[in-house]
Amino acid sequence: DTGVSQDPRHKITKRGQNVTFRCDPISEHNRLYWYRQTLGQGPEFLTYFQNEAQLEKSRLLSDRFSAERPKGSFSTLEIQRTEQGDSAMYLCASSPGQGVGNTIYFGEGSWLTVV
Amino acid sequence: AQSVTQLGSHVSVSEGALVLLRCNYSSSVPPYLFWYVQYPNQGLQLLLKYTSAATLVKGINGFEAEFKKSETSFHLTKPSAHMSDAAEYFCAVSGHTGNQFYFGTGTSLTVIP
Repeated sequence: DTGVSQDPRHKITKRGQNVTFRCDPISEHNRLYWYRQTLGQGPEFLTYFQNEAQLEKSRLLSDRFSAERPKGSFSTLEIQRTEQGDSAMYLCASSPGQGVGNTIYFGEGSWLTVV
Repeated sequence: AQSVTQLGSHVSVSEGALVLLRCNYSSSVPPYLFWYVQYPNQGLQLLLKYTSAATLVKGINGFEAEFKKSETSFHLTKPSAHMSDAAEYFCAVSGHTGNQFYFGTGTSLTVIP
């Protein structure tokens, strides 16, 4: 079990460009979450998937943000027309099963810097 | 709705001293509560979790937390701080739908040699 894997770990982009982050969850984990974390703050929930279904996306920060999990395995988070305020760490997490109280396991995060 | 509040954004302790990090929760139903630790430039790692099986929960690295319903608290403790404990600590709550985790703003722990 290799844990949750995120790629790239660091991304520097110019304002206005699009960026995409990839997350590979722990094998056989049904749930996949995306969080954003800014300096000095806790992780902020963005969206989550149950298998390939995106069950909650109202917390996505704007319509510039979108996420997919097409085959219920890996997921991508895309930010279009990036702004300096998008600079943050984007965390992916996964958890097993469909029950409650399950632990969510985080990846190492993807740092985004918009210049 | 669930939420957690972490009192004290920065805590400093001497090496070997007691560590106490505070977390209070708000939940209309019995919650699931978690403590995570984050080292610089890394993701979050689970320390321990409360799922109603026992009010005193033991975790990794010598940490433990006690669920107190009357005080709506889930404070994290460790009897003797080690230099390697210096990190950011987050309390989190999950509701009974299990769909979302809500994190506190974190407490940065400094251990003074």
